[in-house]
Amino acid sequence: QVQVVASGGGVVQPGRSLRLSCAASGFTFSNYGMHWVRQAPGKGLEWVAVIWHDGSKKYYADSVTGRFTISRDNSKNTLYLQMNSLRAEDTAVYYCAGIAVTGPDYWGQGTLVTVSS
Amino acid sequence: DIQMTQSPSSLSASVGDRVTITCRASQGIRNDLGWFQQKPGRAPERLIYTASSLQSGVPSRFSGSGSGTEFTLTISSLQPEDFATYYCLQHNSYPFTFGGGTKVEIK
Repeated sequence: QVQVVASGGGVVQPGRSLRLSCAASGFTFSNYGMHWVRQAPGKGLEWVAVIWHDGSKKYYADSVTGRFTISRDNSKNTLYLQMNSLRAEDTAVYYCAGIAVTGPDYWGQGTLVTVSS
Repeated sequence: DIQMTQSPSSLSASVGDRVTITCRASQGIRNDLGWFQQKPGRAPERLIYTASSLQSGVPSRFSGSGSGTEFTLTISSLQPEDFATYYCLQHNSYPFTFGGGTKVEIK
């Protein structure tokens, strides 16, 4: 049974940091490129970042480049997103997802990040 | 960055209707496109990959077509469970980009 569980969200002040985690099980985590996708309240989906299956490459949306860092630990089947210098516009539900070009994709339930003073 | 323009942003349709949603890419992306369905309060789910391949378990009333810059998602006969928001996602080049979404509502 596949489980993808995101955690670490909460309320944080502008300029502060937060680290999200995403624990996966039930599929071969080390075979999947893992993504973070976010959705601001009442808005559409925004792709945030990807890390290749082996961690060798990472790519980011322009809106988070230089502030967010994606990483993974394949020994723990866990994905991370370190978010620094947070802004009000980073307020969103953050989803982690394992997406391959073909085959099944696996999404977590999302974790809410609220940036507010 | 590649921009994905999705239309319409919303539509009203009845059960049994044929529905078509379009995504246009700002530059050619071959067939590097997926279609996702999202219901309120839920994570997205992919319906179509590589523009026209149906994800396992997805009903055959969903189909995708197109390549290059223009892509279409078609629902041949809308069912009650299909009322949701649909997004395209290009994965041809980084950063990946979603279309703005199409909300399919009940007429």
